[in-house]
Amino acid sequence: DVKVTQSSRYLVKRTGEKVFLECVQDMDHENMFWYRQDPGLGLRLIYFSYDVKMKEKGDIPEGYSVSREKKERFSLILESASTNQTSMYLCASIPWGRVGYEQYFGPGTRLTVT
Amino acid sequence: GESVGLHLPTLSVQEGDNSIINCAYSNSASDYFIWYKQESGKGPQFIIDIRSNMDKRQGQRVTVLLNKTVKHLSLQIAATQPGDSAVYFCAENIYAGGTSYGKLTFGQGTILTVHP
Repeated sequence: DVKVTQSSRYLVKRTGEKVFLECVQDMDHENMFWYRQDPGLGLRLIYFSYDVKMKEKGDIPEGYSVSREKKERFSLILESASTNQTSMYLCASIPWGRVGYEQYFGPGTRLTVT
Repeated sequence: GESVGLHLPTLSVQEGDNSIINCAYSNSASDYFIWYKQESGKGPQFIIDIRSNMDKRQGQRVTVLLNKTVKHLSLQIAATQPGDSAVYFCAENIYAGGTSYGKLTFGQGTILTVHP
């Protein structure tokens, strides 16, 4: 089975802090995604990556950056956390170019920015 | 922009009943649809998918129906159980030629509550 893990289940950070959210997948998938999930808004795509060191903006990239130095690891970075970034963050992966295959999700990181 | 939406945000059923969760989509170029289940505190889990060249697909206790004429997708759960209580999301993939990188557009979700 595909396994997608996220470094933390719960995080509490202060406004202005730099925050790193880590995601690791063990199935050699090329494509990885970061979403945020807010009540009533569903899942919104922040960034995705289709190869090492390659990244593309999603629908809501403002305030975020990403890093993909190794194929199995995709990091989401909040350069200066703000309270409106309090949310559930979900990571997902899929084999490259595989239209018609579901994304595999991690358990999520619930981030609170105070 | 194009989006996937749900008709009902909440659905309450009795154990043993059949459940139907609906989803409307607006992009006629969508070629692949997925239903996910998300339990409290967990990431979304794949339930069933369907390609645009099909109108029905069945799994274990679940059936997905696709009506391309009215751009409507539904998930039917037979003999609903308390363990089915969760948020259900539909998602669509829009094929734009070449690779879409597997990007999905998600609906807002429906909360299904099953009463014993």
